[in-house]
Amino acid sequence: SQQGEEDPQALSIQEGENATMNCSYKTSINNLQWYRQNSGRGLVHLILIRSNEREKHSGRLRVTLDTSKKSSSLLITASRAADTASYFCATAPSGTYKYIFGTGTRLKVLA
Amino acid sequence: EPEVTQTPSHQVTQMGQEVILRCVPISNHLYFYWYRQILGQKVEFLVSFYNNEISEKSEIFDDQFSVERPDGSNFTLKIRSTKLEDSAMYFCASGLVRSETQYFGPGTRLLVL
Repeated sequence: SQQGEEDPQALSIQEGENATMNCSYKTSINNLQWYRQNSGRGLVHLILIRSNEREKHSGRLRVTLDTSKKSSSLLITASRAADTASYFCATAPSGTYKYIFGTGTRLKVLA
Repeated sequence: EPEVTQTPSHQVTQMGQEVILRCVPISNHLYFYWYRQILGQKVEFLVSFYNNEISEKSEIFDDQFSVERPDGSNFTLKIRSTKLEDSAMYFCASGLVRSETQYFGPGTRLLVL
């Protein structure tokens, strides 16, 4: 897999359900960031988790990081139709700041 | 809330022409970036800029590309002689601390004909 690959590629859920997206990467990192992108729009930063952190919360978002498995997950609880977007993880190999974005998970929340 | 702005929102140009994409980063930020996203593909890092010089660049950022911070507020990306494959959405981002949160602008959609 490539640095910063998300799965699933697409996810469709009902409003009120939880959505979980995963990201895998290949190298050691300083931190991992999750972004949201609405169709054709800019990237909105959601949350940053550092390599020495295992879990982080922000509102309805919960991010975990497992550096031994080089993976992260993003959980959106009680999803809303407005959460419909693509979600990307971004990492930079330690020693550089060239952030690499994954291919993204397209989340559709049905009202 | 402060935000990164980009102009123009859309640009159509002929192959071989020069284009300049403009960005106004968040005012107290020190680190500036350009990324691009070809339609349906990943967001790709192009270049980072700090203290009036390029910090890092990707293989994509060849001699056709240049960046400049001509004054205290603008940050520009110039493509000297555009190619068809330069058609993409170009995002500017800025950050206060390197390797921390990057704040993205809304992007400029460039179409090269």
